[in-house]
Parts: sequence; C-alpha cells; structure tokens
Amino acid sequence: DQQVKQNSPSLSVQEGRISILNCDYTNSMFDYFLWYKKYPAEGPTFLISISSIKDKNEDGRFTVFLNKSAKHLSLHIVPSQPGDSAVYFCAARGSQGNLIFGKGTKLSVKP
Amino acid sequence: AAGVIQSPRHLIKEKRETATLKCYPIPRHDTVYWYQQGPGQDPQFLISFYEKMQSDKGSIPDRFSAQQFSDYHSELNMSSLELGDSALYFCASSLYVAGGLTDTQYFGPGTRLTVL
Repeated sequence: DQQVKQNSPSLSVQEGRISILNCDYTNSMFDYFLWYKKYPAEGPTFLISISSIKDKNEDGRFTVFLNKSAKHLSLHIVPSQPGDSAVYFCAARGSQGNLIFGKGTKLSVKP
Repeated sequence: AAGVIQSPRHLIKEKRETATLKCYPIPRHDTVYWYQQGPGQDPQFLISFYEKMQSDKGSIPDRFSAQQFSDYHSELNMSSLELGDSALYFCASSLYVAGGLTDTQYFGPGTRLTVL
C-alpha cells in the first residue's frame, strides 16, 4: 500500500506562473518530509524539506506547505522556469530513517 | 561541493551472474542508504548503514548483501541475478544529527543495472 501518494502523474505550467505539486500521506507518525527533483539518468536532487513541527518552509522560489490534519503537503514553485521541468518526488522519512517516496509528478514548464 | 559517487554508472550482466555496486558518500557523512528504482517506479529502500554497521533493512532480497567499510564507502553485492533485478540503484548518504530531524539524504547519480 502506497504510504506517500502523488496523485498527479504530470503537470504542465506556463513559464513565469506558479507550479503547485501535491502530496498526500497516510501515516500520521511521519515527522519529516522532503521534495526531490529528478532529471532522467540522474539521481534525485534534494530541493527542500519540512519538519512536522512547522507548516511552511521557504527557500527562494520553492515553498513547501504542510497540513498535518489533512496529511497533505504541497510544493510551490514561483515563478516557474523551463529549467524546472523534471520529475518531482515527495518523500517521507520512515521509522527506519529510510525515505518513502511517492510515484512522482512530471512537471513541464513551457516557455 | 563533493557529491555522492557511484560506480559503475552502467552495468550489464547475464542471468545468474554476480554484480558489485560501489558507493562513496559525501565526506564526513556517516550513513549510507541503498535504493532500487524499477522502470516507472519510485525508489524503494533496500538497506542502510550507520557508522559501518547495518542499521535497517527494507525489501532487499536474500541474494543481495551489502557492507560499509572503514572509509565509509559501501558496496552492494548482488548474486544469482535475475531479469527482474534490472533497475537503477541509488546510493544516498547523510550525516546523522542527534534527534535525526535534519539528516537529509543526498543521492548519487545511480548505477543502471541491466540483466540479460
């Protein structure tokens, strides 16, 4: 059973607009969440993280929001750039310290 | 900044052969994780090491084994390879922080294993 879910396999956004990538999780014990960006033939690149004691974390154009009651987090990219086109993985840290990934959302930012 | 290094980047093996994948963590990182990503799948946790000791196991087949050496590099040994072992294998490293709240994992570029 998928504990971390990214229900949108793909998202297309115009350059300069906001990209919103969503992620839901089922385990209320998860306390740390991360977003990774992945290009083909490369490893996941860490983008931003958030601890469950916060509801928002911001780093430049990237902001992650956490809604614990809804078990939902989202990644906002503003403004979106063509170089942001990649697959974005949401991950939660499991009890073993390992990461539990969603299936990923492929973001395409069109010029 | 130095990143996680994995070798080889590509590996082609026949069924029933053996493969060894290597991972060199970011300097001063003490924890290594191995993940397997099948085609169109999300990465799945295999095994992890902290300070050269195995710390946790995920969905790792008994045919696979791994260890972390005194210089913190890690090797994943895969025997009796099967067609289904064809995948991307990622290594990630982190630095353990007391409380563990901020030990972000940084990934290597992966090894693409193809079993024919």
